[in-house]
Amino acid sequence: EVQLVESGGDLAQPGGSLRLSCAASGLSSSNYALTWVRQSPGKGLEWLSGISSDGGSKNYADSVKGRFTISRDNSKNMLYLQMNSLRVEDTAVYYCTRGLKWFDPWGQGTLVTVSS
Amino acid sequence: QSALTQPPSASGSPGQSVTISCTGTSSDIGGYNYVSWYQQHPGKAPKLMIYEVTKRPSGVPGRFSGSKSANTASLTVSGLQAEDEADYYCSSYAGSGNVLFGGGTKLTVL
Repeated sequence: EVQLVESGGDLAQPGGSLRLSCAASGLSSSNYALTWVRQSPGKGLEWLSGISSDGGSKNYADSVKGRFTISRDNSKNMLYLQMNSLRVEDTAVYYCTRGLKWFDPWGQGTLVTVSS
Repeated sequence: QSALTQPPSASGSPGQSVTISCTGTSSDIGGYNYVSWYQQHPGKAPKLMIYEVTKRPSGVPGRFSGSKSANTASLTVSGLQAEDEADYYCSSYAGSGNVLFGGGTKLTVL
């Protein structure tokens, strides 16, 4: 069974940084593209960034371009999201999921709160 | 790019059918056959229900079906059951590696 488990969510100050991780099990992550999606409290889903299976292609939503960086370590079956210059509006549950054009399965999410 | 447009709410009685629409543009829904639908129960992660407009993943009941016409996609839930009460989100590939989600529709089973 494929399982994705996010970690790294925390309370951060505006302007600060956080690094989220996503551990993949039950699959060789090197065979699959992976994506980060977030959901602000009480709001809908927002696509953030996707990365190809070999890490050679990366795409970002305008809302995070230049601030967030997606990366992966296929030797460890890990996906990462480095988040810099955090803003209050980045407060959300962050999900990692498999795929680039449609997404399955999803992790349980990790909560990022940006507040002073 | 703007989010896809979904009605905020939909409802139906047990056994009835309900259809949720998702409207985009020729640059997303109308331009690609990569529309997907997700079910989300409160406090849970989203679950894929439909991909590539009409395809159902293994384990998803046949009561769920998807379709598309021009720039509008639809999710139909037939034979509504209590456990179908959830939020539903549409998504579409929008080219150049970008993906859009709809704002979500809260489905209530009366």
